Amino acid sequence: NAGVMQNPRHLVRRRGQEARLRCSPMKGHSHVYWYRQLPEEGLKFMVYLQKENIIDESGMPKERFSAEFPKEGPSILRIQQVVRGDSAAYFCASSQKPGQAYYEQYFGPGTRLTVT
Amino acid sequence: TQLLEQSPQFLSIQEGENLTVYCNSSSVFSSLQWYRQEPGEGPVLLVTVVTGGEVKKLKRLTFQFGDARKDSSLHITAAQPGDTGLYLCAGAQNAGNMLTFGGGTRLMVKP
Repeated sequence: NAGVMQNPRHLVRRRGQEARLRCSPMKGHSHVYWYRQLPEEGLKFMVYLQKENIIDESGMPKERFSAEFPKEGPSILRIQQVVRGDSAAYFCASSQKPGQAYYEQYFGPGTRLTVT
Repeated sequence: TQLLEQSPQFLSIQEGENLTVYCNSSSVFSSLQWYRQEPGEGPVLLVTVVTGGEVKKLKRLTFQFGDARKDSSLHITAAQPGDTGLYLCAGAQNAGNMLTFGGGTRLMVKP
């Protein structure tokens, strides 16, 4: 089975541009999570999505950030009007359907966003 | 906000030594996962512990979940240079919930 796929691996944007980060979950997984790792900081939860639904977006900044997981295609994390403080590694994780006693999240290789 | 405190933050040891990494919280977790992350890559899942008091072994790595499911430890026996990396603990309050990560332990094993 292919693992979680993310692209691009590296993305450079100028201040004010838009960044679009893509994530394809592991085969058979229908739940996607996005995390952000700022330089010298730990991983922080951003958003949890199922197909066509946002389940928990408590970690998302209120402005400029949005996420979707359409019926077909990858999950997209979009950052509008990027600022230097958005420079970070963005990781996507996927899991099987909850409802089991526990679940496990598998991470992709990440997208390293640099805002110049 | 649930916090996971990991200690130590940094650890530099000689090949062959043993070490223990701790992950502590005041919150109860339904499951706790340990990951290892290499530079420029995503975290790789090592183990999941679910039951209070549970112990799992993965070759030279031993993972323990506290009885009250608030803390966990990772013990490495006879460390090798290949064990070098960032070790992360992460807890989930309920199945399907987000993971709360500890700050990580950066381990260096010198030959």
